[in-house]
Amino acid sequence: EPEVTQTPSHQVTQMGQEVILRCVPISNHLYFYWYRQILGQKVEFLVSFYNNEISEKSEIFDDQFSVERPDGSNFTLKIRSTKLEDSAMYFCAGSGGAFGELFFGEGSRLTVL
Amino acid sequence: DAKTTQPTSMDCAEGRAANLPCNHSTISGNEYVYWYRQIHSQGPQYIIHGLKNNETNEMASLIITEDRKSSTLILPHATLRDTAVYYCIVRVTGGFKTIFGAGTRLFVKA
Repeated sequence: EPEVTQTPSHQVTQMGQEVILRCVPISNHLYFYWYRQILGQKVEFLVSFYNNEISEKSEIFDDQFSVERPDGSNFTLKIRSTKLEDSAMYFCAGSGGAFGELFFGEGSRLTVL
Repeated sequence: DAKTTQPTSMDCAEGRAANLPCNHSTISGNEYVYWYRQIHSQGPQYIIHGLKNNETNEMASLIITEDRKSSTLILPHATLRDTAVYYCIVRVTGGFKTIFGAGTRLFVKA
C-alpha cells in the first residue's frame, strides 16, 4: 500500500538555524498539507498546497515558514530561523480523492534548543 | 466548517464494540462527516467518512442519524491496538483544509 514518507524522523537544531523537513507524498495525490502538533496539544493546520501554490495557510504559517514542491515527488517545509516554540511534531499529508480524505506521514520531530 | 462535540475520553473492554459518539448539530447539507484516529504520536489515520447513509469498511462502521445532527463510529471488536484519540470532523469535500479538534481518547482495556 502506498504511503507518505517523511525525513528526517527527528531533528535537533539550535535556535535561529534553518530547518528543512521533507516529505514524499503518494504519487497520485494532488493536494498537500503540513500540520504540526506540539507535545500534548492538538494537531494544527499550517498550510495547504495545490497546483504549485499555497491554497490556504493558518496564522501560524508566518514569514518564517515556506513550502516548496521542487520536483514531481518531494514536498518540503522550510523554517527560516527556528524558535524554541517551533519544537513540535510536523506531519505531511496528501489527498487525491474527490472526498479529500487525508493520508499522513509518520511525522518529523523537531527539537529546537 | 460545522463544529463537532465529542466526549473527552471513553473506555472499552477488549473484544467488545466501541461506540464513539459525535454531535454536529450545525452541519450543512453539503458537509460530510469524517473520522480519523491518532495512535500515540503517529500521524493521524483516516478511518471512514459519510454524508447521510451508514457506511462500513474494514476498519469501522459509521452511523449517521436521519437528521444528520449526530453520528457514531463503531469499532465492532475493539483490540488493545485501537487505543487512540479519535477525531470526528465535519467539512465539505475536496482539497480544503481539515481542522482537528481535541477528539475522544479511547482506552481499550484487557
